[in-house]
Amino acid sequence: GENVEQHPSTLSVQEGDSAVIKCTYSDSASNYFPWYKQELGKRPQLIIDIRSNVGEKKDQRIAVTLNKTAKHFSLHITETQPEDSAVYFCAASRNYGGSQGNLIFGKGTKLSVKP
Amino acid sequence: DAGVIQSPRHEVTEMGQEVTLRCKPISGHNSLFWYRQTMMRGLELLIYFNNNVPIDDSGMPEDRFSAKMPNASFSTLKIQPSEPRDSAVYFCASIDTTRYNSPLHFGNGTRLTVT
Repeated sequence: GENVEQHPSTLSVQEGDSAVIKCTYSDSASNYFPWYKQELGKRPQLIIDIRSNVGEKKDQRIAVTLNKTAKHFSLHITETQPEDSAVYFCAASRNYGGSQGNLIFGKGTKLSVKP
Repeated sequence: DAGVIQSPRHEVTEMGQEVTLRCKPISGHNSLFWYRQTMMRGLELLIYFNNNVPIDDSGMPEDRFSAKMPNASFSTLKIQPSEPRDSAVYFCASIDTTRYNSPLHFGNGTRLTVT
């Protein structure tokens, strides 16, 4: 069945270093790939997304890359800060149903940024 | 914009009782989603509506779960009878599918504990 795998499950970095989280998806028809940040006890919040017609997208310290051939996409956070500490989820759209809210989520990566 | 509004924030109930979770989507959004989050299974889609019509309920775990959307501004998720394994955080989310770049917005969730 459809699946999104996310690695690593935990990631610890020093403040100022970069963090990279990787995801692979199984459905070649997926065309929308958002990333969500979830702080403890709070709701997931979109931080960046990318569509299948684009290979890379950047927003300040955050960037996402997509390789459709290999069916994987990655989140890159540069110059990490303690407030970046949270759980990050990748997701891929299910093509059937026609809604980009119909998402398969990865299991999450707990990022800890140490001061 | 008040965002997606869910109630209650916390619900503690005994096994066998009926539980009703409520959601008000963002005004103007035409699709509504119910997601469930657990440590074991992560974020998984239960059901979603488009223009108040249920489109995909394949994620609803069993007949004990039911969802309704009587109008564009209100939806309920009901569990009857509830079981301890239903304990989870239930998120409602909404999206405007008429806008190309409209992302999925989550509510603050309802933390359900069934004892």
